[in-house]
Amino acid sequence: GENVEQHPSTLSVQEGDSAVIKCTYSDSASNYFPWYKQELGKRPQLIIDIRSNVGEKKDQRIAVTLNKTAKHFSLHITETQPEDSAVYFCAASRRGTNAGKSTFGDGTTLTVKP
Amino acid sequence: SAVISQKPSRDICQRGTSLTIQCQVDSQVTMMFWYRQQPGQSLTLIATANQGSEATYESGFVIDKFPISRPNLTFSTLTVSNMSPEDSSIYLCSVPTSGTSNYGYTFGSGTRLTVV
Repeated sequence: GENVEQHPSTLSVQEGDSAVIKCTYSDSASNYFPWYKQELGKRPQLIIDIRSNVGEKKDQRIAVTLNKTAKHFSLHITETQPEDSAVYFCAASRRGTNAGKSTFGDGTTLTVKP
Repeated sequence: SAVISQKPSRDICQRGTSLTIQCQVDSQVTMMFWYRQQPGQSLTLIATANQGSEATYESGFVIDKFPISRPNLTFSTLTVSNMSPEDSSIYLCSVPTSGTSNYGYTFGSGTRLTVV
């Protein structure tokens, strides 16, 4: 089955700096890679996703890159703000019948210091 | 996007008893998934709830322990049976955000279960 590794497990940055979280996956058939943000005591919320036919996607301060050959994808947050502090999870799945059957990374706890 | 109502939000249960968790979606969805999130850890898929057929369980999860119902395209239940303290976790349902699998997935608010 799919195996997703996520690094680092914790990340602390100063407000205004950039944060990068990296994930690798094992199943070459995976073609959909979402990122979720989970604030303390709340549900995971989808913040951005990328499909295997795209190398990069950007949404305001958040961007995701995908390298299919190397089987890794990364989340980039620029101009970080204290409200970006949360646990971030990457995931990998196959779009289609079982697309919601995602395998999650172990999560990265991001702390943005004001 | 889909809106999910999950309940109960939390419960404290005695070991050996069972708890049924419900998820109601405001639109019809073909796929519904149940996840477990143990304290401070990631999300692990328990099973896929299939409408009109038995749920499909992931490795390490069995129907006798986690029976699932999916009577229609807007509703599903997960039962945690014969509970032990190791079952203390957050349980979440998940559905496609837009009804199809093209635009990511939405999670229910979760059920925080404590078994004593």
